[in-house]
Amino acid sequence: GESVGLHLPTLSVQEGDNSIINCAYSNSASDYFIWYKQESGKGPQFIIDIRSNMDKRQGQRVTVLLNKTVKHLSLQIAATQPGDSAVYFCAENYSGNTPLVFGKGTRLSVIA
Amino acid sequence: GAGVSQSPSNKVTEKGKDVELRCDPISGHTALYWYRQRLGQGLEFLIYFQGNSAPDKSGLPSDRFSAERTGESVSTLTIQRTQQEDSAVYLCASSRRVAGGRDTQYFGPGTRLTVL
Repeated sequence: GESVGLHLPTLSVQEGDNSIINCAYSNSASDYFIWYKQESGKGPQFIIDIRSNMDKRQGQRVTVLLNKTVKHLSLQIAATQPGDSAVYFCAENYSGNTPLVFGKGTRLSVIA
Repeated sequence: GAGVSQSPSNKVTEKGKDVELRCDPISGHTALYWYRQRLGQGLEFLIYFQGNSAPDKSGLPSDRFSAERTGESVSTLTIQRTQQEDSAVYLCASSRRVAGGRDTQYFGPGTRLTVL
């Protein structure tokens, strides 16, 4: 069936380095994507979104890249900080009336 | 403004008891969602309410699970005859459900349910 998955379940990076978190999706009809950050003991927080008519979108220290050809989504975090340590979920939306489909999540650990 | 709130934050119950979990969505959000998140795992969709439409219950794992929503406000998720495998964090989210299909969901802090 259709699914959203992640290439890497865990990622450890040095403080100050850039982080890249990857996500694969299988439904070519998906037209909207979101990245969420979930810190320990909290609900997921919206980070950044992108529509399928774009291939790149930048926020504050974060960039989302969308490659529709290979159905791949990535989240780049610049100058990773200890506060970036969390689980990151990608999510896709492929219909006007169905809920987001979430990926399994990647745990990012920042090494001071 | 206020975000999505959930209560209680923690609930410990005995196997076989019923529990009710509450969600207060962001004011003006027409869509409301319930998810289950087991320890160290991803988000499992349970149920979705959109305005006055019939809810999408396709994610409910068994008939022990049910949810209600009054208009576009509070929702309660009820689990009857709880089992140990129901132990998880139950997350609620709401969205404005912009026309065109974008569904930016905002999450509450969750209710951690422990079934002994």
